[in-house]
Formats: sequence, C-alpha cells, structure tokens
Amino acid sequence: DGGITQSPKYLFRKEGQNVTLSCEQNLNHDAMYWYRQDPGQGLRLIYYSQIVNDFQKGDIAEGYSVSREKKESFPLTVTSAQKNPTAFYLCASSFSPGANQPQHFGDGTRLSIL
Amino acid sequence: RKEVEQDPGPFNVPEGATVAFNCTYSNSASQSFFWYRQDCRKEPKLLMSVYSSGNEDGRFTAQLNRASQYISLLIRDSKLSDSATYLCVVNGIGGSTLGRLYFGRGTQLTVWP
Repeated sequence: DGGITQSPKYLFRKEGQNVTLSCEQNLNHDAMYWYRQDPGQGLRLIYYSQIVNDFQKGDIAEGYSVSREKKESFPLTVTSAQKNPTAFYLCASSFSPGANQPQHFGDGTRLSIL
Repeated sequence: RKEVEQDPGPFNVPEGATVAFNCTYSNSASQSFFWYRQDCRKEPKLLMSVYSSGNEDGRFTAQLNRASQYISLLIRDSKLSDSATYLCVVNGIGGSTLGRLYFGRGTQLTVWP
C-alpha cells in the first residue's frame, strides 16, 4: 500500500531530552512537510523540504531540526530548546512543489512531556 | 492579515440539512485551492480540489470566486458521518512561499440525528 507512515504514534519526552519523530513515504513524492497542531488550533508549518538534501524553515522552526538524506524519509527532531513540545505532529508529502499539488498526511504523532 | 480565514463555526445541523462554509484568502495570485476534512484526533484528509469553474463530487460542491478571493463548500443532504472539521487550504505563489500550502483554522460541523 502506498502511503505515509509516521512513528511512533505516541511519544513522551523528558526534560532536556531530544526526541526524533519518523516520517517515511513510498509515494515517490518530492516534497515533504512537518506541521504542528495544538488543540483547537490550525496547522503550523515547522520545516519543509522540496528535494533531497535541501530543506527550509517554516513559521515555527525554533527548537526543531530536520534532515532529508533520502527521498523517502524526513525525520523531525524536537530538541530540548523547544520548551513547549506537547502537540500533535503531522508529516505530509506532495509531488513536485512547483505544481501546487495537494498534500497527503500521515496519521500523526502525539508528543507529550513527562 | 492571515493568508486564509474561515467561518469560525461551529455549525450544528440536523441530518438532511444543507450547510455552507465560506473561506477568504489574502493573496490574489494564489492558484490552487483545496478543502480538507479532519476528524477528531486524526490527520487531515483531502476532500476535494476547487477549480475555477466550480466542481461537484456527490453531495459536495465547491465554488471559487477569484474577484472576491472567496471559496465555498456546500454540503447537501448532510449525514451523521459528515461531522468533522473542514479546512480551507490555499497555495503559496512564489519566492519563499513556493510549495507551501496555507491552512485555515477550520470550521467544525456537527450533524445530529
């Protein structure tokens, strides 16, 4: 089945700890995105990548880092510098970003502080 | 000004009702428009793209008014399963916004029996 897989589904972070959220897609999409959603709020863009080995900051990149070493994978690290990490994290992908295609989402990771 | 603004809702309607959601966008050069549906504690899912001439998919009709920078979604004969949050989405049009989609905060719909 083609799709986007996020793991884990639930994650708990201790004070001072970095945690990494996984996002893998087998749709052959060029572009990948990370969003954060807080209760009752809209989606906010953290980072996005239009091509392998390249990525750009979104609106709320502080306290987060990403890498894009493979087309299929776009992991997000929530660092200890992110003081309010509790949220629903969504990964998305799309075909060539210049074509303004819709984005397709994974089923998300819920991150909480211990 | 936000890139995408939606009716705040919530909308509570009986089964069988017709309900309409509205959305405005700020960038007149935007080219691509979408409606997504998000169920409680789930990921957003693409409901339909919105084309210039308007388009219909079963009970759902989307309209685009470029002059007013306005998008609408009409749901006819509402079902209980239509209860969800509906997100209006517009593309970025160039420069640092190329490849980005801008999501509205969503309008919550509850259909009651």
